[in-house]
Formats: sequence, structure tokens, C-alpha cells
Amino acid sequence: AQSVTQPDIHITVSEGASLELRCNYSYGATPYLFWYVQSPGQGLQLLLKYFSGDTLVQGIKGFEAEFKRSQSSFNLRKPSVHWSDAAEYFCAVGAGQGGKLIFGQGTELSVKP
Amino acid sequence: GAGVSQSPSNKVTEKGKDVELRCDPISGHTALYWYRQRLGQGLEFLIYFQGNSAPDKSGLPSDRFSAERTGESVSTLTIQRTQQEDSAVYLCASSLVFHEQYFGPGTRLTVT
Repeated sequence: AQSVTQPDIHITVSEGASLELRCNYSYGATPYLFWYVQSPGQGLQLLLKYFSGDTLVQGIKGFEAEFKRSQSSFNLRKPSVHWSDAAEYFCAVGAGQGGKLIFGQGTELSVKP
Repeated sequence: GAGVSQSPSNKVTEKGKDVELRCDPISGHTALYWYRQRLGQGLEFLIYFQGNSAPDKSGLPSDRFSAERTGESVSTLTIQRTQQEDSAVYLCASSLVFHEQYFGPGTRLTVT
């Protein structure tokens, strides 16, 4: 069965420090992978997606993610975190012909000054 | 253009009552999805519409849950005889390009 694991429930980083959020997936075929961000009281916003091709994908707000098939991972990175990046981050895999999304449990990011 | 909208934004209901949640997708988006997010959890898929038909209802947790979509536009999620475990944020998403889903702000349902 398809699944997504985000091993870190909560991460705290200092403003200006680099960030890496981990995501591992289980999916039989070539996965479609996504990272979404959810700020308090806000809906989900798509940060970036991987469908095929270049395994390093760039997204909005300075985020990037790298697809590693051998490790079944799709980790999210940002070189320098801003206080406004504090939010909940969700990794997801698109599954089935209808493209429903299977989400991980989320990683809450706190940013300290 | 306008994004996905959902109404109401908040709904408080008594246990045993029926509720209807509405989703207005982005115009022209043929695919529509409902998800549920319980407190502190990730999102759980409920149902997927392609046009007005629902080829994947595998996520509906019980027969108290149903959904319909009319005119390849508005969708309504109905929960009958609500229970406290139904308390959650219900999110709707729509898509045109396959797999890239745009989410609405959600309806927060509280069952007392």
C-alpha cells in the first residue's frame, strides 16, 4: 500500500540557518511527489512537485527538494530559513488513476530568532 | 482568478444532527477531492470526483458520509447522524492538470 512517512514531528531551527525536512514514501510505480505548506488558519499551499525528469526541483519561497529513487526519499530543503517559514509542512504522493494524495503526518517547523 | 472556496468556514453541530459542507472548485477544474484533517494529523483522502461521477469513494469512513457533485462544479459532502469523532477540518481540492491539486481553506466541523 502507498504510504508517506515524515519522521520528524517537530523541528526548530534558528532564523538564517539551513533546513531539511525528511520524507520517505512507499509506492510501487513511479511516484508523483509533492510538498505542501499549511500556515496557521490557512489552507494548503503547493510548494513544489516532482513528476519526472530532473530529480532536483525548485519551488516557491526558495524551497527545493530532491527525489532519490534508491532511498525512496523526497526531502525538502531551504538554505536560509526566515521567520515567516514557521508552519506545518506536508509531503504527499499522488496515488491511483484518480490522483488522490496520500499525505504524511506533517512536520511542524518553528523558527527561533 | 478565484481559488477553491468552501462554506461554511466553521460549523458547530450537536451529535446526531446532519451537516452539509459545500465546495466550489476553481472554474474548469474537472477533478474534485475531499479530505479530512483531524487535529494534529495529516490529511486523509475521502472521495474523488471526475466530472459528476465518483470513481473513488474508498476513503469514506462509513455510510453516514456521502457526497455529490453537480454540473461539474459545486460539490456537497453530507455527514448524517454526526458523531464526535467526525470533528475535523474538511478540505476540498480541485485540479485541472493531473495530480496538481489546489486546496480550499477548509470547513472546521465541531460536533458537541
